[in-house]
Amino acid sequence: SAVISQKPSRDICQRGTSLTIQCQVDSQVTMMFWYRQQPGQSLTLIATANQGSEATYESGFVIDKFPISRPNLTFSTLTVSNMSPEDSSIYLCSVDGDSGGTDTQYFGPGTRLTVL
Amino acid sequence: KQEVTQIPAALSVPEGENLVLNCSFTDSAIYNLQWFRQDPGKGLTSLLLIQSSQREQTSGRLNASLDKSSGRSTLYIAASQPGDSATYLCAVPFSGGYNKLIFGAGTRLAVHP
Repeated sequence: SAVISQKPSRDICQRGTSLTIQCQVDSQVTMMFWYRQQPGQSLTLIATANQGSEATYESGFVIDKFPISRPNLTFSTLTVSNMSPEDSSIYLCSVDGDSGGTDTQYFGPGTRLTVL
Repeated sequence: KQEVTQIPAALSVPEGENLVLNCSFTDSAIYNLQWFRQDPGKGLTSLLLIQSSQREQTSGRLNASLDKSSGRSTLYIAASQPGDSATYLCAVPFSGGYNKLIFGAGTRLAVHP
């Protein structure tokens, strides 16, 4: 299993500003994933972060809005840039249990973001 | 394109009832299916993972079944308790992948004493 922590746990931000969310895993993992959960909605994948390469973004998400860093095998950051109230969501990171898709995925506790 | 649907959207039951939550998916070529639990304002807790070659998995009072050919999974909760109150999400990997997940909208369960 993997234990994941996120910082901050929650924040209230003004529109037009940026927030960087940190995700730390207690073991080395190949892939890290960032999801968004808008109020009352389910989770949507934003991007996949691999160490040593550019993040891969899903349809509807762009690097200018959600830049991601992956400096090593246990850490990643997601920045929400130029925020608007529509960015108010819970942002969660997850990791693959590895072993080629035969293991579960583990999620961090999430960062609850409110944009005023 | 893979789509995941969960029925019902919400469920309120008295303590002690046996429950069935349903999940359906459109592309049967999946590596696995996972059931998660989410408590209000919290992250996700993995409950059960069923590999594509398996028919069911059990953990305590939880039993999940998978019928790939019909694109369906059910989560059975026996003898429900107030502590089971949460949102239950099912998720399958993107078509052709195995670790990027597509989630259903969830079933919001309330078990009252």
